[in-house]
Amino acid sequence: QKEVEQNSGPLSVPEGAIASLNCTYSDRGSQSFFWYRQYSGKSPELIMSIYSNGDKEDGRFTAQLNKASQYVSLLIRDSQPSDSATYLCAVAGGLYAGNNRKLIWGLGTSLAVNP
Amino acid sequence: KAGVTQTPRYLIKTRGQQVTLSCSPISGHRSVSWYQQTPGQGLQFLFEYFSETQRNKGNFPGRFSGRQFSNSRSEMNVSTLELGDSALYLCASSLQTSGSSRELFFGEGSRLTVL
Repeated sequence: QKEVEQNSGPLSVPEGAIASLNCTYSDRGSQSFFWYRQYSGKSPELIMSIYSNGDKEDGRFTAQLNKASQYVSLLIRDSQPSDSATYLCAVAGGLYAGNNRKLIWGLGTSLAVNP
Repeated sequence: KAGVTQTPRYLIKTRGQQVTLSCSPISGHRSVSWYQQTPGQGLQFLFEYFSETQRNKGNFPGRFSGRQFSNSRSEMNVSTLELGDSALYLCASSLQTSGSSRELFFGEGSRLTVL
């Protein structure tokens, strides 16, 4: 089992729809959760971080965290063609020997928003 | 505020050579992480430095090494290059190594081609 798992996609949604991206993780001691967006040929950029159970909203983006079920999701409302990118989930693991809260990355989900 | 600066942006080397990549973090950031990104493998963690000390290390051979200087600037070195080392090498800085300070800011990367 991979430590952080994401569906590779591509996830295709029409413009204006809600895009839902999911991420599961295996380390129950994980404390911090991040979503990064990476456009083709560019470097990743942070779009959301979440640290406690529940929802966190920032503009059209909502991150949802459920530590009991060990998943974190990203919702993009009113999706735009400019949201077409790969979305990477990153989880800061627990503090234990040899780990030191290492950041673990999923392979990313490719999102295509169709006009 | 200047972002993360990586040099060189592009370089071509031949097998057996060595390469040194440089990264200047955002002013005030003390943590620098290095990643290798290839199309099939996603983001692969190389190592992380904080206040000149290596805090975490990924599963790469000893040919890959790094260091951090007192001004937080970091270098990574790859010796005896192999064809498989061709990749985008990304540097990311963060304030510290826990909680919200774990948020990473990436440079544009150094694209290495090994012939």
